[in-house]
Amino acid sequence: GAVVSQHPSRVICKSGTSVKIECRSLDFQATTMFWYRQFPKQSLMLMATSNEGSKATYEQGVEKDKFLINHASLTLSTLTVTSAHPEDSSFYICSARRREGRETQYFGPGTRLLVL
Amino acid sequence: GDSVTQMEGPVTLSEEAFLTINCTYTATGYPSLFWYVQYPGEGLQLLLKATKADDKGSNKGFEATYRKETTSFHLEKGSVQVSDSAVYFCALYSGGYQKVTFGTGTKLQVIP
Repeated sequence: GAVVSQHPSRVICKSGTSVKIECRSLDFQATTMFWYRQFPKQSLMLMATSNEGSKATYEQGVEKDKFLINHASLTLSTLTVTSAHPEDSSFYICSARRREGRETQYFGPGTRLLVL
Repeated sequence: GDSVTQMEGPVTLSEEAFLTINCTYTATGYPSLFWYVQYPGEGLQLLLKATKADDKGSNKGFEATYRKETTSFHLEKGSVQVSDSAVYFCALYSGGYQKVTFGTGTKLQVIP
């Protein structure tokens, strides 16, 4: 199967610091990776889509300077929450897709971020 | 735009009860339909999918049939177990699988 990992699984940080979350496809090359945010008891909200080697495409209302996405290779994408504030506390989930066409997304286990 | 509507939860059932979680959708074109499951503290796992009308997806005793005439993809299981307690998300893929639209999720709690 296609396995996607995230690191760290949970992180607690102080307000004003930056936090980096890694998303890796372990046994396949991901042409596209996606970052979602999930609020408590709510659905997943797509934040951005990234293709390897190009800039991420952000959804409306998502601050690109706040949530920096780097898709450095076909197996790694990172999300950096810059100058985090308590309202950024959330569950962040990444997904990866192997190739174009009718291909499902494979989801990572998620990262719980708590900003104090 | 595309949308997915799920029944509101939480749904509480006794073990071995019959489960139905309703899901309806609106979409242009011919979307593919999915059910994902999220266990506490974890990410999403693909449960089952159907890619065209009248297809039935099944896995681990769960089933859902793609009904184009009623734009529905209801999830069913004949006999639930405590281990099925989780949040279930209905989702559709559209735009050549570029875009995924999720429902709001339905929490299922199965009691012994």
